Amino acid sequence: SQTIHQWPATLVQPVGSPLSLECTVEGTSNPNLYWYRQAAGRGLQLLFYSVGIGQISSEVPQNLSASRPQDRQFILSSKKLLLSDSGFYLCAWSPPTSGATYEQYFGPGTRLTVT
Amino acid sequence: DAKTTQPPSMDCAEGRAANLPCNHSTISGNEYVYWYRQIHSQGPQYIIHGLKNNETNEMASLIITEDRKSSTLILPHATLRDTAVYYCIVRVAWGGSYIPTFGRGTSLIVHP
Repeated sequence: SQTIHQWPATLVQPVGSPLSLECTVEGTSNPNLYWYRQAAGRGLQLLFYSVGIGQISSEVPQNLSASRPQDRQFILSSKKLLLSDSGFYLCAWSPPTSGATYEQYFGPGTRLTVT
Repeated sequence: DAKTTQPPSMDCAEGRAANLPCNHSTISGNEYVYWYRQIHSQGPQYIIHGLKNNETNEMASLIITEDRKSSTLILPHATLRDTAVYYCIVRVAWGGSYIPTFGRGTSLIVHP
């Protein structure tokens, strides 16, 4: 069966510090991978999307970046955190883009507080 | 932006059926309707999806109207653990691929 891991579970970082959140998926190959952010009381905002190694798409301009160095590894980074980066960060995967449906499976999330 | 409309909140008595509505009047012919739920401080959980036929699985039933402009998620016997935010979404085009986009959802509270 497939599993998705995220770490750390919680993180408190000062403004201006760097960030690295990691997500890994087990039990599947060539998954689509996603990073979402959820601010308190808000819906999920899609940040990044990847269909393969080194392929990253983003529609929302921000001081965050994403990388996919391996097939089942997705990393969210920032060089300098802002207060507005606080939130609940969720990684998700879905089956490869070959079928007609795109159900997503989410990780446990990382709660980031920027102070 | 999400192309669905859901009531912001609902409540239901434990053991009764919870019927969660969703409007998606601009849905196109090849777009699927998906339902997820998010229990507080956890990642969303996939529940069910459908195109035009009604669907049922171990978690819920999905009823889609004949014109596909709305749907209803049914939890047949709600429990306290079903208290969560329920998201109804349709596939939206993004960068040439179809990505589900999550709106605010419906906060369902199941009470004793």
